[in-house]
Amino acid sequence: GAVVSQHPSRVICKSGTSVKIECRSLDFQATTMFWYRQFPKQSLMLMATSNEGSKATYEQGVEKDKFLINHASLTLSTLTVTSAHPEDSSFYICSARVPGTSGGMETQYFGPGTRLLVL
Amino acid sequence: AQSVTQLGSHVSVSEGALVLLRCNYSSSVPPYLFWYVQYPNQGLQLLLKYTSAATLVKGINGFEAEFKKSETSFHLTKPSAHMSDAAEYFCAVSLLFGNEKLTFGTGTRLTIIP
Repeated sequence: GAVVSQHPSRVICKSGTSVKIECRSLDFQATTMFWYRQFPKQSLMLMATSNEGSKATYEQGVEKDKFLINHASLTLSTLTVTSAHPEDSSFYICSARVPGTSGGMETQYFGPGTRLLVL
Repeated sequence: AQSVTQLGSHVSVSEGALVLLRCNYSSSVPPYLFWYVQYPNQGLQLLLKYTSAATLVKGINGFEAEFKKSETSFHLTKPSAHMSDAAEYFCAVSLLFGNEKLTFGTGTRLTIIP
């Protein structure tokens, strides 16, 4: 199946700094990627839909200036947590939609996640 | 808006016993339904999906799920549990017509008792 990678797998940063997380589709090109956030023992919450070459679409309640998303190529989307605070500590997971599918029938392939800890 | 409810945040079964993980959905239009598995510190892996074809869907690792519209359910089953099945399982729903957003349930942690 399609492989999606994330880097880094874990990051610890100081409050007030910015952190960039990369999501790559390794063996396919993804025009659409998704960013999710998962709190401990909770489900995944969609943060935003990342579209190659255009602005990301954010879900209600997600601050676009706080969580900057860039999808500059067909294999890479980045999520930057700006001016991170302890409440931003979470598990961030990306997924990529395999091209050639549509109408809700697509399969999303998920990355392994990035655990962010803000001190 | 669509949603899914997973009954039971923790399920324990003995090795070799039947696995039953419950998922009920709510959707204003016919849904697409998915089951994903998450192993520790890993991303999600698709087990199976319902896309309005057959109501009984077979997936990987011996899992299957049956779509029951009358019960708005999409329960996941496996006849005989294996130790390697221990993981977190998520049910998810997506709207039928073009909406690609997945809405996840809260997950069920499956523990296998030797």
